[in-house]
This record gives sequence, C-alpha cells and structure tokens, in this order.
Amino acid sequence: GAGVSQSPSNKVTEKGKDVELRCDPISGHTALYWYRQSLGQGLEFLIYFQGNSAPDKSGLPSDRFSAERTGGSVSTLTIQRTQQEDSAVYLCASSLSGQFYEQYFGPGTRLTVT
Amino acid sequence: AQSVSQHNHHVILSEAASLELGCNYSYGGTVNLFWYVQYPGQHLQLLLKYFSGDPLVKGIKGFEAEFIKSKFSFNLRKPSVQWSDTAEYLCAVTTGFQKLVFGTGTRLLVSP
Repeated sequence: GAGVSQSPSNKVTEKGKDVELRCDPISGHTALYWYRQSLGQGLEFLIYFQGNSAPDKSGLPSDRFSAERTGGSVSTLTIQRTQQEDSAVYLCASSLSGQFYEQYFGPGTRLTVT
Repeated sequence: AQSVSQHNHHVILSEAASLELGCNYSYGGTVNLFWYVQYPGQHLQLLLKYFSGDPLVKGIKGFEAEFIKSKFSFNLRKPSVQWSDTAEYLCAVTTGFQKLVFGTGTRLLVSP
C-alpha cells in the first residue's frame, strides 16, 4: 500500500512568514510523529500524536511551532514567524499503536528560510 | 534524558570489507533498539530492531546487530559490504515512550 507522504517536498520562505507542512500517514496508523533534521545535527523529535491528541509535545522548540491532527489521519505542522534556524528537513512518521511497532517515515519536507 | 552516541561519523570501506558501526545509549531501564538506514535519495527505512529475546538480531540485506546490555551497546555489523550499502545509518532507542531518540548518524561510503 501507499507509504507516508509529505507535502511540499521543498519549501523556501522568507524570514517572518508562516509555513504549513503536511503529513499523510499510512492508512490505519493511529500514531503519528514529527521529527526534524537540522544541518550537522541528528534527527530530533518534535511531537507525537495518538489519534487526534498529542500526549507528547516535548520536542517543539518554541511556541512558534504547533501541530494538529484531524480525523485521526492528516497532520499539519505550522511554524509561525519563521527564523533562519528553522531551516531543516522535517520528517513525519506513522505507526500502529504501541511501543513495539516500527515507525515508517515519509520523504520529508526541506524547509529553507531566507 | 536518554541519549544515543554514534562515534563513527564517516566510514569509508572497500567492497567485501567487514563493517561494524558503534552505537551506545544512555538509559538504565528497558529499551527498544533500532537501526535505520537512508540510501541516497530514499526514505529512512528500518534495517533491524531489538525488543527482547535473543540479543543477536538479523535484519535486511545481511545486516545484524548485537545488544550487549552491560555495555549499553547495539553495534551494527555486516561481514562483507557492497557498493549498494553506501548510505547513512542511524541508531535509535525508545524507552517505553513512543518517541525515537536518534544518534547523529554514520555516513558509510563503499568504494567499488
């Protein structure tokens, strides 16, 4: 079946603008995760959804970052008033519920803030 | 907080050489361990995983990893690498919570 999809694949935005990144998880996967990979740094966790609720938002770096999930499916990560340090690849992953299920990753969105 | 260390940032090998990539984690409780791989131009994908049982786990494409609890390690091995193994390899851990904590990754280049 189809894997995790993300859009857009690339986004260039000016500093101070808001951006929205979208993730379509694998059908039936109730858990959804956002990660980001900045240049020279490893993959870091941002937020985890179980269904439509987010029990773990501990990785969101500032209140400029928010995310929502609707219908237990699509998720949107919003970054307000973007800064240059927000430039990174944003990855989405989904899985079945429970700690023993692997996470399947999407292709990512490369965000560049100029 | 838990963390994962991958000491080899870049590794260059010739085809048929043996590979061992180090991974150490810091967490005193029960862990689930993963190796992910990202081939050039492709998605991150799971190579192998350890949850419990036999500490020697086998994954796809001839890779294996050994969990040594006393050393907090989960090193990745392959007896004979191929040019197609050129990729970035990431070690990760979960500790019963859902999020993956990743190491910084190792870029492997296999020369033909």
